[in-house]
Amino acid sequence: AQSVTQLDSHVSVSEGTPVLLRCNYSSSYSPSLFWYVQHPNKGLQLLLKYTSAATLVKGINGFEAEFKKSETSFHLTKPSAHMSDAAEYFCVVSRGGTSYGKLTFGQGTILTVHP
Amino acid sequence: GAVVSQHPSWVICKSGTSVKIECRSLDFQATTMFWYRQFPKQSLMLMATSNEGSKATYEQGVEKDKFLINHASLTLSTLTVTSAHPEDSSFYICSARDEEMWDTDTQYFGPGTRLTVL
Repeated sequence: AQSVTQLDSHVSVSEGTPVLLRCNYSSSYSPSLFWYVQHPNKGLQLLLKYTSAATLVKGINGFEAEFKKSETSFHLTKPSAHMSDAAEYFCVVSRGGTSYGKLTFGQGTILTVHP
Repeated sequence: GAVVSQHPSWVICKSGTSVKIECRSLDFQATTMFWYRQFPKQSLMLMATSNEGSKATYEQGVEKDKFLINHASLTLSTLTVTSAHPEDSSFYICSARDEEMWDTDTQYFGPGTRLTVL
């Protein structure tokens, strides 16, 4: 079975400082991993996706994530936070086998950016 | 590309009535769509997988007779909440896969429908 654990329910940073949102996964096979962002009253937007092509994945809006198999982690980072980054972020794993393509979501991390 | 719409964006209904929510893929065809429910301050939970031309498959614990899904075309899936009750109040989100793309496990999400049952 696949599962995702987001280690922080809330992260607060100052504008211009680095962002780190932590995610650990459990999977019995080589997974696809995603980060999605959800702004208030808006739909989920795909930030980036890992598919085993490269361990460091660059996404939109300056975000990137590194897949570390030895640590079963897929943390999301951004060098410098912007006020518009304030939102909820979800780490997601794609299921395999007979449930191929179904997604399992982490609990979400709310990012607050202070001026 | 890969835009998914939902209608309505919000709906308020009386207890005991039924509500239909539409999910459309606007610029691609989707033989598979997914329906999720998100309670306040919680994550998304997959309810069911909608398959064009066949019956939907439901996740464990989801009542198929209460949440009717119809996927009648390659661009439209509907979710009908039958005999809605206050505990059905939630944010319902659909997604679709663009199966013309090589990465068929990437899902594109609609903006969601907020259902409030009085």
